[in-house]
Amino acid sequence: DVKVTQSSRYLVKRTGEKVFLECVQDMDHENMFWYRQDPGLGLRLIYFSYDVKMKEKGDIPEGYSVSREKKERFSLILESASTNQTSMYLCASRPTGFRNYEQYFGPGTRLTVT
Amino acid sequence: AQSVTQLDSHVSVSEGTPVLLRCNYSSSYSPSLFWYVQHPNKGLQLLLKYTSAATLVKGINGFEAEFKKSETSFHLTKPSAHMSDAAEYFCVVISVVNTDKLIFGTGTRLQVFP
Repeated sequence: DVKVTQSSRYLVKRTGEKVFLECVQDMDHENMFWYRQDPGLGLRLIYFSYDVKMKEKGDIPEGYSVSREKKERFSLILESASTNQTSMYLCASRPTGFRNYEQYFGPGTRLTVT
Repeated sequence: AQSVTQLDSHVSVSEGTPVLLRCNYSSSYSPSLFWYVQHPNKGLQLLLKYTSAATLVKGINGFEAEFKKSETSFHLTKPSAHMSDAAEYFCVVISVVNTDKLIFGTGTRLQVFP
């Protein structure tokens, strides 16, 4: 069974703080993703990574950065948290392969920035 | 540009009655489509997927979806709702430009009444 874990289920941070959200997958997947989920907007892709030290911008990368130093771990960084970054953050992973499009999601981190 | 439209933001049914969650897609190419489910405070779980094989796709928990190219639809159905089906459901299309990119609908929240 694929398992994607996220370091925190709930997080409360203050405006201006640097925030780290951690994601770990145990299935040796090459590809990892960070999304944010907001009511009425579905999921929007922030960043993704094809391999260690590789990263690609998604649809809404502004205000975020990522780090992938190990294959199993993909970190999302909010350099200076703002209230409009209050959201649910979901991590996902996927193996490389022909027509292997399914992504496996973690349980999410609900971040509140005050 | 590709997109998916979930026609209902909320659907309410009684336990034991049929479920219909509607999804229309927009794509110039033969799309790959998913339905994901998200139970409260949980990550997303794949319900079923269409990748140009059989047009009627069976998924987990008794759900199925039919791909209709003439109607550009991929509606999700279940003959008899169960209380445990209460969740949010997302219709998803794979981007043809970048197969790492999932394009999400805005979600349909299903309520099941006893």
